[in-house]
Amino acid sequence: GESVGLHLPTLSVQEGDNSIINCAYSNSASDYFIWYKQESGKGPQFIIDIRSNMDKRQGQRVTVLLNKTVKHLSLQIAATQPGDSAVYFCAENMGYSTLTFGKGTMLLVSP
Amino acid sequence: DAGVTQSPTHLIKTRGQQVTLRCSPKSGHDTVSWYQQALGQGPQFIFQYYEEEERQRGNFPDRFSGHQFPNYSSELNVNALLLGDSALYLCASSPGRGGFSGELFFGEGSRLTVL
Repeated sequence: GESVGLHLPTLSVQEGDNSIINCAYSNSASDYFIWYKQESGKGPQFIIDIRSNMDKRQGQRVTVLLNKTVKHLSLQIAATQPGDSAVYFCAENMGYSTLTFGKGTMLLVSP
Repeated sequence: DAGVTQSPTHLIKTRGQQVTLRCSPKSGHDTVSWYQQALGQGPQFIFQYYEEEERQRGNFPDRFSGHQFPNYSSELNVNALLLGDSALYLCASSPGRGGFSGELFFGEGSRLTVL
């Protein structure tokens, strides 16, 4: 079936670097995407979202890019900090706030 | 303002037993969704409750059932537990009226281990 997935399971970066986490989706009808951060032992936390009528959206130190042509999402984190270490999920809204999550990418930030 | 709260945080059951997990949504939210997260995987949607009825359901067997109370809190019940039911069970709340606003608030989860 159609699902949201991720390219890289683990990403290791140095503190201060910029991080890019990628996500591919297969449902071309998807119109709303969300990135979540999940720290160990905690529930997923909303980071940023984007609708299909947008190509880019920026938040505080984070930017999400959407390429509908190749069905690809990315999350960019500027000046990555040790506190950014977590698992990052992209999710696709299936309606009525029901989400389909990808498998996740673990981000490891070294000081 | 309390966020989504879940109980218990951890529990251990044996195969064949039944379990009930509880969730209180964020203040002002009337919709509760349940997700199962196996180790190393992303959360998978189980079902959603709105106005005390199951509104949406994912691909989970009938052993998984739920309930929503008039105060919007919710329970997830799993019968005839299997080893494969071991997972983190996440509750998430959102406002139901007016469609999905974007942010889905998750609780810290209930870690179920089935032996």
